[in-house]
Amino acid sequence: DQQVKQNSPSLSVQEGRISILNCDYTNSMFDYFLWYKKYPAEGPTFLISISSIKDKNEDGRFTVFLNKSAKHLSLHIVPSQPGDSAVYFCAATISNFGNEKLTFGTGTRLTIIP
Amino acid sequence: GAGVSQTPSNKVTEKGKYVELRCDPISGHTALYWYRQSLGQGPEFLIYFQGTGAADDSGLPNDRFFAVRPEGSVSTLKIQRTERGDSAVYLCASSLNAGGSTDTQYFGPGTRLTVL
Repeated sequence: DQQVKQNSPSLSVQEGRISILNCDYTNSMFDYFLWYKKYPAEGPTFLISISSIKDKNEDGRFTVFLNKSAKHLSLHIVPSQPGDSAVYFCAATISNFGNEKLTFGTGTRLTIIP
Repeated sequence: GAGVSQTPSNKVTEKGKYVELRCDPISGHTALYWYRQSLGQGPEFLIYFQGTGAADDSGLPNDRFFAVRPEGSVSTLKIQRTERGDSAVYLCASSLNAGGSTDTQYFGPGTRLTVL
């Protein structure tokens, strides 16, 4: 069963506009959520994270929103830049200060159109 | 090097052969994870090491897969009697695991395994 879902396999956005990537989860035990960005032939790179005690975390152009009641999170990128074109993975884990294995979604390929 | 490194970057083998994939974590990182990414999927957890011990191997698909980390640094993922379904990118990640907060996992570039 897919515990973390990214229902949009791809997204195209004009440069300068806002990109919104969505993610849903089913396991209510998850309490920490992350977004990773992946370029071809490279490993995933950590982008931003959020704890379940918060509903928003912002870092520069990137903001992650968490709606626990809906089991939904989203990543906002504004303004979008050509270098943002990559595959974005949503991931979730259960914090236990030890084994924090990540459960990933299937990814969304973001293309920024110049 | 500053990041996680994995060797080889690509490995082509024949069905039934044995392969070893190596991961060099970031220096000082005590936690090490192996994930597998199949085409069109996100990475899937395989095994977690805390120091030298495999604390969680619940993601290993079957007993053909085994991993070691004898000195608490470099780890090797070993696959016996490879099958075509083992073809995937194998990713390694490490984290500081200093305790007190959730640690960021830093990923290597992966090893692309192709079983013919």
